[in-house]
Amino acid sequence: RKEVEQDPGPFNVPEGATVAFNCTYSNSASQSFFWYRQDCRKEPKLLMSVYSSGNEDGRFTAQLNRASQYISLLIRDSKLSDSATYLCVVNVGGGFKTIFGAGTRLFVKA
Amino acid sequence: DTGVSQNPRHKITKRGQNVTFRCDPISEHNRLYWYRQTLGQGPEFLTYFQNEAQLEKSRLLSDRFSAERPKGSFSTLEIQRTEQGDSAMYLCASSAQTSGANVLTFGAGSRLTVL
Repeated sequence: RKEVEQDPGPFNVPEGATVAFNCTYSNSASQSFFWYRQDCRKEPKLLMSVYSSGNEDGRFTAQLNRASQYISLLIRDSKLSDSATYLCVVNVGGGFKTIFGAGTRLFVKA
Repeated sequence: DTGVSQNPRHKITKRGQNVTFRCDPISEHNRLYWYRQTLGQGPEFLTYFQNEAQLEKSRLLSDRFSAERPKGSFSTLEIQRTEQGDSAMYLCASSAQTSGANVLTFGAGSRLTVL
């Protein structure tokens, strides 16, 4: 089983749609969780950290369910500029080994 | 430029040759990571350092791969006897001990093509 698993998509949505991405992780001792964004032919960049209580940053909402070892990202009112690959990221175990999921590709169309 | 710097940006080599990539992290970052990424996949963890200590190395990594960070600053990733399957983007990232969350900052990557 992979340490971090994501639905690869692609997700094709119209502008203004709400889209949700899911991710599961295998190591129950993992402590830190993130979503990164990667544009085509670019390096990954941090989108947001994921906190136990859930957190929001503008149109983006991240949720963590430790019991189910599940992370989610919700994007509301999708923009064309949201088209990218979204990577689920986990610091596995109690250390700083940082594992990326395979990524979920999002296409937002006009 | 105070970001993560990787060199060379592109490397084309023949199968069987050795290649070396260099990464210069953000100066105050004490953790340094190497990843490999192929088309349509997420970054695959290879190894990471805290200062000069290599703390973990992927079990998927063959003995042909070696990484060093001799003085706790820059790092090199060497691939010996390259194979066509080694063709990929090699990404370096760094992070700081003092940050509450271990946020990685990536370099632009070194693209390897093995002919």
